[in-house]
Amino acid sequence: DGGITQSPKYLFRKEGQNVTLSCEQNLNHDAMYWYRQDPGQGLRLIYYSQIVNDFQKGDIAEGYSVSREKKESFPLTVTSAQKNPTAFYLCASHGGSGPPSTDTQYFGPGTRLTVL
Amino acid sequence: AQSVTQLDSQVPVFEEAPVELRCNYSSSVSVYLFWYVQYPNQGLQLLLKYLSGSTLVKGINGFEAEFNKSQTSFHLRKPSVHISDTAEYFCAVRENAGNNRKLIWGLGTSLAVNP
Repeated sequence: DGGITQSPKYLFRKEGQNVTLSCEQNLNHDAMYWYRQDPGQGLRLIYYSQIVNDFQKGDIAEGYSVSREKKESFPLTVTSAQKNPTAFYLCASHGGSGPPSTDTQYFGPGTRLTVL
Repeated sequence: AQSVTQLDSQVPVFEEAPVELRCNYSSSVSVYLFWYVQYPNQGLQLLLKYLSGSTLVKGINGFEAEFNKSQTSFHLRKPSVHISDTAEYFCAVRENAGNNRKLIWGLGTSLAVNP
């Protein structure tokens, strides 16, 4: 069954601790994305990766880090430098079976991070 | 600069009534257009997309959208909504340029279907 998995669904951390959110896909997609979602603010892009071993900052990368060592995995670390980390985090991958112009983004179920 | 505006942040509607969720965009190049739905505490699911061809696009769950190039709009419609359509709806745009795959997102419209 193909898709994107994110774990855990809910995550609680103390202020000042780093935390890593997992994202795995078995869709064989090259591109992967991390978004942050806050009420009323839509989706904001944190980091994205077009290919293994390469990634770029999105609009709100400060306080976050990523790695892309394998095609199927794109973990996100929320560091203690992120001032307001409590949010819903969404991972997505981008691809399709047709020409690149028809590619679509597919989303995981999300991880809700609460920093206490 | 590319941007997406969803004109209504909240849309209340009664069950079995028609609904239209409005989306306008700005871009200097041709675009691909998408509508996604998000149920509470879940990820986003693709409703429909416009890539080329017919400007009327049909999606899942009885939704459809019409691309209007002159008005730079891509409004989402459903002729008769159900309680289960209560969700957040997001409009997104991708520029048709090179290897660009990034989506530009609207802020979302919260659809509340009441009995």
